[in-house]
Amino acid sequence: GAVVSQHPSWVICKSGTSVKIECRSLDFQATTMFWYRQFPKQSLMLMATSNEGSKATYEQGVEKDKFLINHASLTLSTLTVTSAHPEDSSFYICSARVFSSFRETQYFGPGTRLLVL
Amino acid sequence: DAKTTQPTSMDCAEGRAANLPCNHSTISGNEYVYWYRQIHSQGPQYIIHGLKNNETNEMASLIITEDRKSSTLILPHATLRDTAVYYCIVRVTDSGYALNFGKGTSLLVTP
Repeated sequence: GAVVSQHPSWVICKSGTSVKIECRSLDFQATTMFWYRQFPKQSLMLMATSNEGSKATYEQGVEKDKFLINHASLTLSTLTVTSAHPEDSSFYICSARVFSSFRETQYFGPGTRLLVL
Repeated sequence: DAKTTQPTSMDCAEGRAANLPCNHSTISGNEYVYWYRQIHSQGPQYIIHGLKNNETNEMASLIITEDRKSSTLILPHATLRDTAVYYCIVRVTDSGYALNFGKGTSLLVTP
């Protein structure tokens, strides 16, 4: 299957700092990527949809000025958590859409664990 | 997207087949059934998806009932590494929308 990578795999930062997470499609181009967040013992929750060359679409309750998304190329989307606070500590996961034989599949990155102190 | 119902948890002995059910009684004619799994502290992994015919790949088989109101994911020879949360998701393909993850089934494969 298609490979999606994320960097870094984990990050620890101080409260008030900004953290950038990269999501790359390694062997395919992705016009659309998605960003999810997962808290302990909970399911994945969609944060935003990232479309190459246009503004991201955020889910209700997700602050667009706090979670900046940039999808500058067909293989890279970035999520920047600005002025991070301890409640932003979570597991952040991206996914990318792939089309094959007229069918759509989404492949996920390995996730980035963020701990804000 | 149609709603799905899965058991909260299941156990399976190593080497035996794991049969994970999913109910999607409100599925529409153009909605596919997708299965993903999430091993602890990893991103979800795509397993298989289908519309109405049974599907098989190197990981699993997907059996969809004739009325499409339910399906079963079969792991033919479960190993300890198959311990994970399995998600059944129903959605229209090529909708441009993200996957809506429910609570899934926590499968524990025991020695």
